[in-house]
Amino acid sequence: DIQMTQSPSSLSASVGDRVTITCRASQSISSYLNWYQHKPGKAPKLVIYGASSLQSGVPSRFSGRGSGTDFTLTISSLQPEDFATYYCQQSYSIPWTFGQGTNVEIK
Amino acid sequence: QVQLQESGPGLVKPSQTLSLTCTVSGGSINSAGYYWGWVRQHPGKGLDWIGYIYYSGSTYYNPSLKSRVTISLHTSKNQFSLNLDSVTAADTAVYYCARASDYGGHDAFDIWGQGTMVTVSS
Repeated sequence: DIQMTQSPSSLSASVGDRVTITCRASQSISSYLNWYQHKPGKAPKLVIYGASSLQSGVPSRFSGRGSGTDFTLTISSLQPEDFATYYCQQSYSIPWTFGQGTNVEIK
Repeated sequence: QVQLQESGPGLVKPSQTLSLTCTVSGGSINSAGYYWGWVRQHPGKGLDWIGYIYYSGSTYYNPSLKSRVTISLHTSKNQFSLNLDSVTAADTAVYYCARASDYGGHDAFDIWGQGTMVTVSS
């Protein structure tokens, strides 16, 4: 199985901050990397697919970069509705695997 | 707008079969190109992919669960289901159903249900 490792596991930030989350794959996954936002008690929401493509309806302050083994999700100006847990997920091979999550908290 | 909703028992006894159903509304489960899958989240943990079924009926399972899991389509009801055999306390989790779409060769879960908590306990 491909292991996905996110860092940091949690972070505290203020509204308006620029936030970057890193995801590393245990082997090359090309650009088969997705990012999800998950709030407690809610359905996870697709934010980025294919490493860098913004899902329809997602604000442009979200962006994704990377290929191979190293990827980032950046929120350019954190908004109150962005406080959540973010997961990366590889769709390069079965079984699909997720990172352990990054909890973005209010400072 | 396609929506998914999980349903099933919230409590299952050890060694029994966990059975969940996902009802699809706003679209057809027969639509070409989609995968219909299940993901679970153990308490306080991250997300784990269980498997999915292609609209054609082909199935793909996580090898860690493959001997115990079955995902099926029920096209007449526009539903798909998850059966997990011989459950233990380690199967206690929130179970999500989700649809995976092909975005130019990149598959991703783009629609999710709200999730349903299943506890395995006698």
